Amino acid sequence: DGGITQSPKYLFRKEGQNVTLSCEQNLNHDAMYWYRQDPGQGLRLIYYSQIVNDFQKGDIAEGYSVSREKKESFPLTVTSAQKNPTAFYLCASSVKGTYNEQFFGPGTRLTVL
Amino acid sequence: GIQVEQSPPDLILQEGANSTLRCNFSDSVNNLQWFHQNPWGQLINLFYIPSGTKQNGRLSATTVATERYSLLYISSSQTTDSGVYFCAAPFSGNTPLVFGKGTRLSVIA
Repeated sequence: DGGITQSPKYLFRKEGQNVTLSCEQNLNHDAMYWYRQDPGQGLRLIYYSQIVNDFQKGDIAEGYSVSREKKESFPLTVTSAQKNPTAFYLCASSVKGTYNEQFFGPGTRLTVL
Repeated sequence: GIQVEQSPPDLILQEGANSTLRCNFSDSVNNLQWFHQNPWGQLINLFYIPSGTKQNGRLSATTVATERYSLLYISSSQTTDSGVYFCAAPFSGNTPLVFGKGTRLSVIA
């Protein structure tokens, strides 16, 4: 099946710990994106990558880091510097060019205790 | 800054009713997408509609790019239509999607 997978579905961490969220796609898409969603809110862009080994900050990049070593993978690390990390995290991908249609994974719900 | 505004923020419908959701955007766009977020959080693509009208079953969408708005029509609503509907657009060049805050739809039997 072609699609975008995110793991884990739920993640619990203690305050001060770094955590890494996985995002994999087998759609052969060049571009990948990470969004954050808070309760009752829309999606806000954290980071995006349009090509391997290159990525750009979105609107709320502080306290997050990413890597893009492979076309199909775009992991997100939530660092201890992120002041309010509890949220729903969504990964997306598209063919090259942000004006193209984006498709989303199922999301990871992160709770920091 | 660039804004995407959706209305109404909340909508309650009786099953079988029709509804129109609106998306206004503050600048010209070269793409517009409508999504449905189900109760489990999954974002489902409804329409990719830079301009014109598209239909998919009971749903249709119209984007009037020159007037900077898009409409999503839901006819004969069903309880499974409940959830949050988002519109999103990239603004000029190669910028990522900007999302509206969504319309929360509740369809009651």
